[in-house]
Amino acid sequence: AQSVTQLDSHVSVSEGTPVLLRCNYSSSYSPSLFWYVQHPNKGLQLLLKYTSAATLVKGINGFEAEFKKSETSFHLTKPSAHMSDAAEYFCVVKGGNLIFGKGTKLSVKP
Amino acid sequence: EAQVTQNPRYLITVTGKKLTVTCSQNMNHEYMSWYRQDPGLGLRQIYYSMNVEVTDKGDVPEGYKVSRKEKRNFPLILESPSPNQTSLYFCASSTYRNNQPQHFGDGTRLSIL
Repeated sequence: AQSVTQLDSHVSVSEGTPVLLRCNYSSSYSPSLFWYVQHPNKGLQLLLKYTSAATLVKGINGFEAEFKKSETSFHLTKPSAHMSDAAEYFCVVKGGNLIFGKGTKLSVKP
Repeated sequence: EAQVTQNPRYLITVTGKKLTVTCSQNMNHEYMSWYRQDPGLGLRQIYYSMNVEVTDKGDVPEGYKVSRKEKRNFPLILESPSPNQTSLYFCASSTYRNNQPQHFGDGTRLSIL
């Protein structure tokens, strides 16, 4: 069975500092992995996806994620946080259907 | 513009009064699904459809019905809503190929009193 675990329910950073949102996955075969972002009162928007082509995946708005099979991790990073990055982020694994993590709320302090 | 459209965006209603949340996509996607989002639980799938006239249960189907008579539409029906169905609902669609992300609607916030 496939699953994802987001290790932090809430992360707070200062504007201009790096962002790290952690995700571990479990899959019996090579997974497809995604990160989505949800801004308040909006639907989910795809940030990036991993589909086995390259382990370092670049997404929109300066985000990237690295697939590490040995650690079963797919952490999301950004070098410098902006106020507009404040949102909830979901790590997702796809087998047949999508399986969502419980989300990490990112707060950005001025 | 490619989009998934849900209606209504907000609804307050009472226990037992049947309601339908509509979902329409303009991308000719085969796959559509419904999720509910609750605090601390993330998104959980209610029902999904792989194509016209093909639907199947997700993780939390109790109390819900769906239909897929046309490729673009996938309505969610609550025949007898109860307060535990108060939630934020999302419709999503995608091509049914592996590795393809889903496109989400903006959500419908339902309050069942």
